Amino acid sequence: EVQLVESGGGLVQPGRSLKLSCAASGFTFSDYYMAWVRQAPRKGLEWVATISTSGLTTYYPDSVRGRFTISRDNVKSSLYLQMNSLKSEDTATYYCTREVLSDYWGQGVMVTVSS
Amino acid sequence: DIQMTQSPASLSASLGQTVSIECLASAGISNNLAWYQQKPGKSPQLLIYGASRLQDGVPSRFSGSGSGTQYSLKISGMQPEDEGVYYCQQVYTYPLTFGSGTKLEIK
Repeated sequence: EVQLVESGGGLVQPGRSLKLSCAASGFTFSDYYMAWVRQAPRKGLEWVATISTSGLTTYYPDSVRGRFTISRDNVKSSLYLQMNSLKSEDTATYYCTREVLSDYWGQGVMVTVSS
Repeated sequence: DIQMTQSPASLSASLGQTVSIECLASAGISNNLAWYQQKPGKSPQLLIYGASRLQDGVPSRFSGSGSGTQYSLKISGMQPEDEGVYYCQQVYTYPLTFGSGTKLEIK
């Protein structure tokens, strides 16, 4: 059974940093692209980042490029999202997803950016 | 960036009714379109990929169609468990973009 379990969320002040983790199991992690998708409270879905199988290629929308960094550890079957210079508009539930078209989703982790 | 315009924003349907949700891309996406369902308090779930391919385990009353820039999701016979918000997403090119969602309720 595919499982994606996010952790690392919480309350953080504007301008500070936070790192999210996603522990994957039930599939060969190194065979799949992975991604992060977020959802602000009572809003729609927004794609945040995608990483290739090797980790050498990454993709971001303009809204987070230069502030967020997606990475992976294929030995540990883990995905990460380093978020720097956080803004109030980054407040959202962050989902770890498998593949470019997100065929599996984690339960999500809440990030609140507020002073 | 490719914009995804989804309609309607909300929809109310009776049990057994057939409903359709539309998604219009601002440029051609060559059937690289996915549909997701999100129930209240839950993570989204993939329903359709490649515009018309049913994800494993998804009931056959769900179907997808379209080409070029116009795509649709059809539910043939609304069931209580189909209530939720539906999103389309283009996976043709980066940045990946979602539609704004359609809230589907039982009438």
